[in-house]
Amino acid sequence: DVKVTQSSRYLVKRTGEKVFLECVQDMDHENMFWYRQDPGLGLRLIYFSYDVKMKEKGDIPEGYSVSREKKERFSLILESASTNQTSMYLCASSSQGPFGDYGYTFGSGTRLTVV
Amino acid sequence: LAKTTQPISMDSYEGQEVNITCSHNNIATNDYITWYQQFPSQGPRFIIQGYKTKVTNEVASLFIPADRKSSTLSLPRVSLSDTAVYYCLVGWYYGNNRLAFGKGNQVVVIP
Repeated sequence: DVKVTQSSRYLVKRTGEKVFLECVQDMDHENMFWYRQDPGLGLRLIYFSYDVKMKEKGDIPEGYSVSREKKERFSLILESASTNQTSMYLCASSSQGPFGDYGYTFGSGTRLTVV
Repeated sequence: LAKTTQPISMDSYEGQEVNITCSHNNIATNDYITWYQQFPSQGPRFIIQGYKTKVTNEVASLFIPADRKSSTLSLPRVSLSDTAVYYCLVGWYYGNNRLAFGKGNQVVVIP
């Protein structure tokens, strides 16, 4: 069964901490994505990557950075966590091509609380 | 990115067929239409994808009219476990393209 695995299901961090959220996929997908989901706002794209060492800003990149050193791993970094970054973070991957096999495959999410 | 419009929420009774609509007036020639389902505290899950006319799989059907400016996801004989948020996305996966999720449509199945 193919998977996108996020390293933590729940995290509690303090304001100002540097936070790493890890995501690994075993489908050899080229594309990987980080979204955050907040009540009433739906899913908003933070960053995505379509190749190793490549990254592109999504709709809300401020306060975040990403790293993709290997094809299977995509990390989201909160440089200095703030309370407004408390959210559910979702990682996804997809293959490239005119017709993605099954679209995006999502991980189970990391619920981050910044106190 | 093609913008989609969905109702915010809808209720349906258990055992009924549920039809969920999505408007995408500025869909491009290369765009596919994809639907996802999301349960609380989980990531969205792919349901079905199509380009035109009708697509059917083991869980749903997708109806796309000739002008492709809208689509309808049909869930046959829903059960309580079909209560979820349903997202309609328009776009394609080639290269560095990415799709935009809207706020989705909350479907509540009532006993």
